[in-house]
Amino acid sequence: ELKVEQNPLFLSMQEGKNYTIYCNYSTTSDRLYWYRQDPGKSLESLFVLLSNGAVKQEGRLMASLDTKARLSTLHITAAVHDLSATYFCAVVKAAGNKLTFGGGTRVLVKP
Amino acid sequence: DAGITQSPRHKVTETGTPVTLRCHQTENHRYMYWYRQDPGHGLRLIHYSYGVKDTDKGEVSDGYSVSRSKTEDFLLTLESATSSQTSVYFCASRWTAENTEAFFGQGTRLTVV
Repeated sequence: ELKVEQNPLFLSMQEGKNYTIYCNYSTTSDRLYWYRQDPGKSLESLFVLLSNGAVKQEGRLMASLDTKARLSTLHITAAVHDLSATYFCAVVKAAGNKLTFGGGTRVLVKP
Repeated sequence: DAGITQSPRHKVTETGTPVTLRCHQTENHRYMYWYRQDPGHGLRLIHYSYGVKDTDKGEVSDGYSVSRSKTEDFLLTLESATSSQTSVYFCASRWTAENTEAFFGQGTRLTVV
């Protein structure tokens, strides 16, 4: 059974500094997603990563995928308050259909 | 934004009553999913569908059933609601192509009293 683990669970950030969220998964994957969720809202898609070495960037967020290590990272550059949210990774097992989520990382960016 | 809607958005029901939540998508997506979200548990998969009349269980399927008679609709039924099923329920859908996103509905807040 596919297991997806994120760490840390909570990240208190200072504005202007850089941070990384980690997403480990237990079996071979077809694709990996990153989502953002604001309190009381639905999930917003950030990135879809498909292949080993894939890197995608949008603004201050950059996601990468290492399929050999079964690890994805979400890097936040020069954090700003607007990035406060909960971030989830989700994985589709290779040749499978289920979309399995990690536990989420709650990010709070303080001035 | 992808056309995926959930109904109702909020519901309060009594213990022991059946409840059906509806997910409707207009994107002709093959895969559809139902999740529940609870504090400290992230999103947990209840059931999913990989085509019309093709469904399978997720990790927390006990007490829930689903049906998909049309591509666009995926129904989640709580056969006899319990207080432990008080949660926020999210529906998602995606196409088969590798580089497509999985889109989420707005969520349904269900309270079982």
